[in-house]
Amino acid sequence: SQQGEEDPQALSIQEGENATMNCSYKTSINNLQWYRQNSGRGLVHLILIRSNEREKHSGRLRVTLDTSKKSSSLLITASRAADTASYFCATGAGTASKLTFGTGTRLQVTL
Amino acid sequence: DAGVIQSPRHEVTEMGQEVTLRCKPISGHNSLFWYRQTMMRGLELLIYFNNNVPIDDSGMPEDRFSAKMPNASFSTLKIQPSEPRDSAVYFCASSFDGASTDTQYFGPGTRLTVL
Repeated sequence: SQQGEEDPQALSIQEGENATMNCSYKTSINNLQWYRQNSGRGLVHLILIRSNEREKHSGRLRVTLDTSKKSSSLLITASRAADTASYFCATGAGTASKLTFGTGTRLQVTL
Repeated sequence: DAGVIQSPRHEVTEMGQEVTLRCKPISGHNSLFWYRQTMMRGLELLIYFNNNVPIDDSGMPEDRFSAKMPNASFSTLKIQPSEPRDSAVYFCASSFDGASTDTQYFGPGTRLTVL
């Protein structure tokens, strides 16, 4: 079953604008990761945030985590057409290896 | 580095036939994961292995599905007999030491169509 639910399901913006995607989850976690999937390809890891962290940055990416609300957000600043993809959050818990992926947000960046 | 390798990339078969999907993880990675992705159900974890041992197969849909990892560099996912509802993209992923904080590296996927 899905742990994470992304919001919105789809997002269309113009190049140069910021894109914000949200992820909510149901159970306690020890980390949350964001992945990107280009059409017809496998997923690619973007960034990880641990449960004791509130914010992380990587290039044009900013991730926040609010464990009290069981939610995370991914902000892509100054978006580019190449950012067009689906974005998934994935949660990890305990010592288990597995991640549980959310439903994804489809981002379309137009010129 | 070659990354995770999956074969075949596309498979079209008829209902009732046996299908075998193959995966070669990144060398040195100790954990391997099989996922299935459909529009209706999203990305589902089917099974994962640590050090070639199956750890959690609770996501395997039914007995028609089986997975093996005979050595650290090869895994198979078999569907026998296949059904149209098995049509999906199947991904294999690997990670270094199997911690949930590990990055998972995904292969390009196998697009399976069962007629």
